[in-house]
Amino acid sequence: AQSVTQLGSHVSVSEGALVLLRCNYSSSVPPYLFWYVQYPNQGLQLLLKYTSAATLVKGINGFEAEFKKSETSFHLTKPSAHMSDAAEYFCAVRHSGGSNYKLTFGKGTLLTVNP
Amino acid sequence: GAVVSQHPSRVICKSGTSVKIECRSLDFQATTMFWYRQFPKQSLMLMATSNEGSKATYEQGVEKDKFLINHASLTLSTLTVTSAHPEDSSFYICSARPNMVYEQYFGPGTRLTVT
Repeated sequence: AQSVTQLGSHVSVSEGALVLLRCNYSSSVPPYLFWYVQYPNQGLQLLLKYTSAATLVKGINGFEAEFKKSETSFHLTKPSAHMSDAAEYFCAVRHSGGSNYKLTFGKGTLLTVNP
Repeated sequence: GAVVSQHPSRVICKSGTSVKIECRSLDFQATTMFWYRQFPKQSLMLMATSNEGSKATYEQGVEKDKFLINHASLTLSTLTVTSAHPEDSSFYICSARPNMVYEQYFGPGTRLTVT
């Protein structure tokens, strides 16, 4: 079964600092991995996805993530944090098998950005 | 593109009544729709998966008679919480997946409060 683990339920950075949100996955097959962002009382917005093409994936809002098979990781980074980046971030892995493409989400990481 | 709407965004109902939540894909046809439940400061828990014209597939531990899901068309799925109790109070989020596409597009969520 596929699973993801997000290390750190809360990350706090200063505006302009590097953002690093960690995600490790467990999968018996090559995984499809996603990062979503959720602002308060809203649904989820796709930031980026890895679908076995390039290992460095660029997403929206200046975020990117690198798939590292040897480390079973898919960490999310952004060089310079903005106040508007403050939100909850979820890493997710697609279930293998079946045709519905179910997702399993990590527990989420709350990012706060300090002025 | 890929916009998913939910209605209502917020609903308060009395214990014992039923509540219907609608999920619509506005600019694409959704082969599959998913219903999630999210408790405060927690991750998304998949409740069920539905394909148009078929019965929904419920995750383990989700009461199918309590959470009725209908996926009557390629753009509309509904979740009915029957005989609601205060413990059903939660944030319900739907997502939709177009055919031949991996990612899910999420609605803005519905906040249900049962008094």
